[in-house]
Amino acid sequence: AQKVTQAQTEISVVEKEDVTLDCVYETRDTTYYLFWYKQPPSGELVFLIRRNSFDEQNEISGRYSWNFQKSTSSFNFTITASQVVDSAVYFCALSEARGSQGNLIFGKGTKLSVKP
Amino acid sequence: EPEVTQTPSHQVTQMGQEVILRCVPISNHLYFYWYRQILGQKVEFLVSFYNNEISEKSEIFDDQFSVERPDGSNFTLKIRSTKLEDSAMYFCASRDRTSGGYEQYFGPGTRLTVT
Repeated sequence: AQKVTQAQTEISVVEKEDVTLDCVYETRDTTYYLFWYKQPPSGELVFLIRRNSFDEQNEISGRYSWNFQKSTSSFNFTITASQVVDSAVYFCALSEARGSQGNLIFGKGTKLSVKP
Repeated sequence: EPEVTQTPSHQVTQMGQEVILRCVPISNHLYFYWYRQILGQKVEFLVSFYNNEISEKSEIFDDQFSVERPDGSNFTLKIRSTKLEDSAMYFCASRDRTSGGYEQYFGPGTRLTVT
């Protein structure tokens, strides 16, 4: 069965601190995709990144970086030098390639509060 | 930049009434989805739609729900007889057909309040 676990319900940091959001997934499929979405207080869902199961390279985009480890079934998200604008709920999601039309299975989300 | 749009942004309805939520996916996308998010909870998959038919649906998507693509641009979700527990944010999403893609682009959502 497919499942995404975000164990951290809420995290609070002070601006300029680094913060890591954890994501652990379960799937029986050998080909799958992992995602992070951001949901700011305004409510929309903003796509941040996609990772394919066959590509374990970590990725950096500005202050954001992602660490994909198949051995531990984890896809963690780090924000370096956090800013108040990073305050949002962050969702990790999984999509299996086989027998699926790409529907996303979301974790419960981690609410990040960045205080000035 | 193309985006998914949804109308209305907020819908208030009485229990037992029918509602139709509307979405305009990104124009060259071929896969369409509805998700819902009960306040403070995770986003849940409802249904996917491809080639003018439902391709997958969750157990939430019972006989009270239906989807339609009435023309070349709109994608609708109908709830036949709303219940209090249908109160949620409903998101429409779409994606294109690239083989390695699967990332979906979401609309801003419709907040449905059933009283």
